[in-house]
Amino acid sequence: GAVVSQHPSWVICKSGTSVKIECRSLDFQATTMFWYRQFPKQSLMLMATSNEGSKATYEQGVEKDKFLINHASLTLSTLTVTSAHPEDSSFYICSARGVEDSYEQYFGPGTRLTVT
Amino acid sequence: GQNIDQPTEMTATEGAIVQINCTYQTSGFNGLFWYQQHAGEAPTFLSYNVLDGLEEKGRFSSFLSRSKGYSYLLLKELQMKDSASYLCAVRDRNSSYKLIFGSGTRLLVRP
Repeated sequence: GAVVSQHPSWVICKSGTSVKIECRSLDFQATTMFWYRQFPKQSLMLMATSNEGSKATYEQGVEKDKFLINHASLTLSTLTVTSAHPEDSSFYICSARGVEDSYEQYFGPGTRLTVT
Repeated sequence: GQNIDQPTEMTATEGAIVQINCTYQTSGFNGLFWYQQHAGEAPTFLSYNVLDGLEEKGRFSSFLSRSKGYSYLLLKELQMKDSASYLCAVRDRNSSYKLIFGSGTRLLVRP
């Protein structure tokens, strides 16, 4: 089956610093990757959609200058949280849609970010 | 706009059957997904419906009525490990196949 990995699985950073989260499709090429954020006891909120080689499409209310997304290859997308603040502490999950797939998205294991 | 509603919490007994409902409103409906999510973990795919009717997969079944904007997930022979959140998500064909998630239903299975 299709596997998506994320790195790191958890990270603690100080307020004001930047953190980069990687999302990789390990055994398939992903034309589209999605980034979600999930606060405790809440559902997944889509932050942005990224297509390989083009700029990401951000959802309303998500600051594109704060959450930088790069999708440089068909197997890698990165999310950089710039100038992180405690309110950015959350569970960040990526998913990938393969070239051949008609409908399914494959989710990564998630990254727990804690900003102190 | 898009709107997806699910009950917040449900409780059921081990060995029983539970039905989790989901209603949705979306302009570009292109399929409905059910995911299971244990605390601190990523969602795992359970089912996909794009046509009306019932899809059965082992202990889990999912039903869709497009005219009513309604779906349900049916879990049979409940096990303790089924305690998790169940997320209903609708795919929007107008926007890169992105998934719009409901708020999720936390299911507690008791002995």
